[in-house]
Amino acid sequence: KQEVTQIPAALSVPEGENLVLNCSFTDSAIYNLQWFRQDPGKGLTSLLLIQSSQREQTSGRLNASLDKSSGRSTLYIAASQPGDSATYLCAVMDSNYQLIWGAGTKLIIKP
Amino acid sequence: NAGVTQTPKFQVLKTGQSMTLQCAQDMNHNSMYWYRQDPGMGLRLIYYSASEGTTDKGEVPNGYNVSRLNKREFSLRLESAAPSQTSVYFCASSAWDRAITEAFFGQGTRLTVV
Repeated sequence: KQEVTQIPAALSVPEGENLVLNCSFTDSAIYNLQWFRQDPGKGLTSLLLIQSSQREQTSGRLNASLDKSSGRSTLYIAASQPGDSATYLCAVMDSNYQLIWGAGTKLIIKP
Repeated sequence: NAGVTQTPKFQVLKTGQSMTLQCAQDMNHNSMYWYRQDPGMGLRLIYYSASEGTTDKGEVPNGYNVSRLNKREFSLRLESAAPSQTSVYFCASSAWDRAITEAFFGQGTRLTVV
């Protein structure tokens, strides 16, 4: 059974720092991996989607990498800003075409 | 551009009451999903609909029913609410039944069952 783990559960860093969020999954047979952002009381916003054949995707200050063989993905946020404060979720699409979710990393950027 | 719209945003029910959560998307997506999110856990799939007229159980379907009314709308019904169903519910849609493309989410419904 596919399991997705995100460590740490919470992270607080000063504004301006570069940071890395981690996502690991137990079964390398995935179709894609998505990173989402969730703001309190709001829905989820898709940030980046990496297909299983890809190694990384970039959008602005965000860069997501995927290493299927080791079951890992990282979300790199450059030059963090207070507006980046949110919970970041990763989800993998497994061999049954279902999205399996991590519990998220709550990120706080201190001004 | 509304995307995925869920109603209501908040609801308090008494144990045993019933209610229907509504979801509509305006992106002409084939697939729609209902998830629940509980503290400290990832989202869990309740039901999904790969296309109009089809529905399938997800990981946690017990206590719920769904209806894919048309391509736009996918509703979730709690026939007899229980405190264990206190959660935040999210509706999502994606273009393909295999969801190779990204998923879009509604803003969620925070449900409390007392």
